[in-house]
Amino acid sequence: GIQVEQSPPDLILQEGANSTLRCNFSDSVNNLQWFHQNPWGQLINLFYIPSGTKQNGRLSATTVATERYSLLYISSSQTTDSGVYFCAVERLGTSYGKLTFGQGTILTVHP
Amino acid sequence: GAVVSQHPSRVICKSGTSVKIECRSLDFQATTMFWYRQFPKQSLMLMATSNEGSKATYEQGVEKDKFLINHASLTLSTLTVTSAHPEDSSFYICSATSSYENTEAFFGQGTRLTVV
Repeated sequence: GIQVEQSPPDLILQEGANSTLRCNFSDSVNNLQWFHQNPWGQLINLFYIPSGTKQNGRLSATTVATERYSLLYISSSQTTDSGVYFCAVERLGTSYGKLTFGQGTILTVHP
Repeated sequence: GAVVSQHPSRVICKSGTSVKIECRSLDFQATTMFWYRQFPKQSLMLMATSNEGSKATYEQGVEKDKFLINHASLTLSTLTVTSAHPEDSSFYICSATSSYENTEAFFGQGTRLTVV
């Protein structure tokens, strides 16, 4: 199956700092999504980004499908950004919506 | 985005009993729903894919007789953990997509199952 690797596994920031999270995947994909898992376990959709660049407030994401990676940028981080960030991909040729998740990046933002 | 509601959010049951978890798409027709399991400090692992009106497709290593999945309508899928044991304690989360609309997968709130 497809391999999804996220880096770094852990990230500790001071409030106000910027950060970049990376997701590498081993095969061609139809779909790539970034999620934030809050302390209660709920997955919050951040971006649906199979290719290109998108921005939403302090967050932006870029996927370079031909080179099989995606980046999530968090600017001016806040304590509420803390949690686990997951990248998930839908491999080309699999069922629509069937996602393979990376291991996640645990982000801790200190005040 | 679309809303997927999962119920219950947490459940505690005795070993040997069965537990049913519901996953509903509230504002779109979910032609396909997925069930994932997440152990503490780990990632989400896909358990099975369910298409409305069809039998579920289980991932390798997932016991279909233990994890019964029903997707009888375009808005509801259920996962029943039969004869639960302590090792089944985990966080179960569903997602839903629609082949009618080319959008991302949306996830329910998850269910934390504890078997005592």
